[in-house]
Amino acid sequence: QSALTQPRSVSGSPGQSVTISCTGTSSDVGGYNYVSWYQQHPGKAPKLMIYDVSKRPSGVPDRFSGSKSGNTASLTISGLQAEDEADYYCCSYAGSYIYVVFGGGTKLTVL
Amino acid sequence: QVQLQESGPGLVKPSETLSLTCTVSGGSISSYYWSWIRQPPGKGLEWIGYIYYSGSTNYNPSLKSRVTISVDTSKNQFSLKLSSVTAADTAVYYCARHVSKVGAVGRGYFDYWGQGTLVTVSS
Repeated sequence: QSALTQPRSVSGSPGQSVTISCTGTSSDVGGYNYVSWYQQHPGKAPKLMIYDVSKRPSGVPDRFSGSKSGNTASLTISGLQAEDEADYYCCSYAGSYIYVVFGGGTKLTVL
Repeated sequence: QVQLQESGPGLVKPSETLSLTCTVSGGSISSYYWSWIRQPPGKGLEWIGYIYYSGSTNYNPSLKSRVTISVDTSKNQFSLKLSSVTAADTAVYYCARHVSKVGAVGRGYFDYWGQGTLVTVSS
């Protein structure tokens, strides 16, 4: 069982928006602003999409946005495109003993 | 452009030690934290541990008794050793660069990843 809880799957049609949630506790997501999101296509390495809750690395489309409320972080993808179909993982700092926890991953299907 | 490449045996026998090396190119290994992350087939990501270029380490408590991560700055490489492996250690192993302030290990993100290497534990 992963430390952070994500829905197993979400789906949306091209052009629509989807939001993926990532629920933790006050010891990880809720306690720090160090949530990051990774996109992983089949057989490929994860790719950084969002860091520090809501910052986008250079080259990541502004269709991807992140936010946090309490112990839940969210990744929103607007204007869905076929190439967005992938697995998405959240990650959070979890204090100076555990350090890093990942979510179980969410499979995004573009209908 | 920083690139990371994992290398090592793809098959390890139960009870033996898994050994992998990550070679960093396109940039110096200095001034960053470097990490190993694994992904069992069909499952999610699991952080294994960090090493700073100076050699200081931090490990996942659930694996700490079996893990050693080391660094060779002269070769721009860092390595993973996982002892007493079982079938549960079968996974794709990734190396990655972690960006965080000095002394604030973990308070950051993974920006560059290797392509991953599948290690199977089987007799």
